[in-house]
Amino acid sequence: QKEVEQNSGPLSVPEGAIASLNCTYSDRGSQSFFWYRQYSGKSPELIMFIYSNGDKEDGRFTAQLNKASQYVSLLIRDSQPSDSATYLCAVTPLSAGGTSYGKLTFGQGTILTVHP
Amino acid sequence: EAQVTQNPRYLITVTGKKLTVTCSQNMNHEYMSWYRQDPGLGLRQIYYSMNVEVTDKGDVPEGYKVSRKEKRNFPLILESPSPNQTSLYFCASSFNGGAYTFFGPGTRLTVL
Repeated sequence: QKEVEQNSGPLSVPEGAIASLNCTYSDRGSQSFFWYRQYSGKSPELIMFIYSNGDKEDGRFTAQLNKASQYVSLLIRDSQPSDSATYLCAVTPLSAGGTSYGKLTFGQGTILTVHP
Repeated sequence: EAQVTQNPRYLITVTGKKLTVTCSQNMNHEYMSWYRQDPGLGLRQIYYSMNVEVTDKGDVPEGYKVSRKEKRNFPLILESPSPNQTSLYFCASSFNGGAYTFFGPGTRLTVL
């Protein structure tokens, strides 16, 4: 089993719809969870991070975390063609001292296409 | 401007010819990492560094070396490149090792 697994894509949604991206992780010690967006030919950029169970909202983006189910998701409301990109889920452990020491594990990514 | 720079951006080389990809950040970040990205496999961490002279293996360290002699620089060294190291490489830095990780523009390496 992969450490971080994302729902297989590509995912295609119409403009204005809600896009739902899912990610599961195998290490129960994982503490920090991140969503990155990567446009074709570009480097990843952080769009959301979440540490606690529940929802975290930032504009049109909502990250959801369920540590019991080892599941993290990203919802994109009112999807726009400019949201078309690869979305990467990443997780990191936390040491007892409260830092992750830079160890970051990514999923394989989900390609999202928003069509007009 | 806060940034992570990598050089070269594109490199074609031959098997066995040693090469170095440089990485530099101007944000005074303690944490730096190297990743490779391959189709269907996502980003995989090669090595990471928590501070000067402190490095550790990531998920795919075989065939790579790194050094962290200065806080701002974290070069990736391929002593004897092989075709299976053909990939897109990203350097990254962050303040705390997780959130707000900044990625460099990437280096596309082809080993013939």
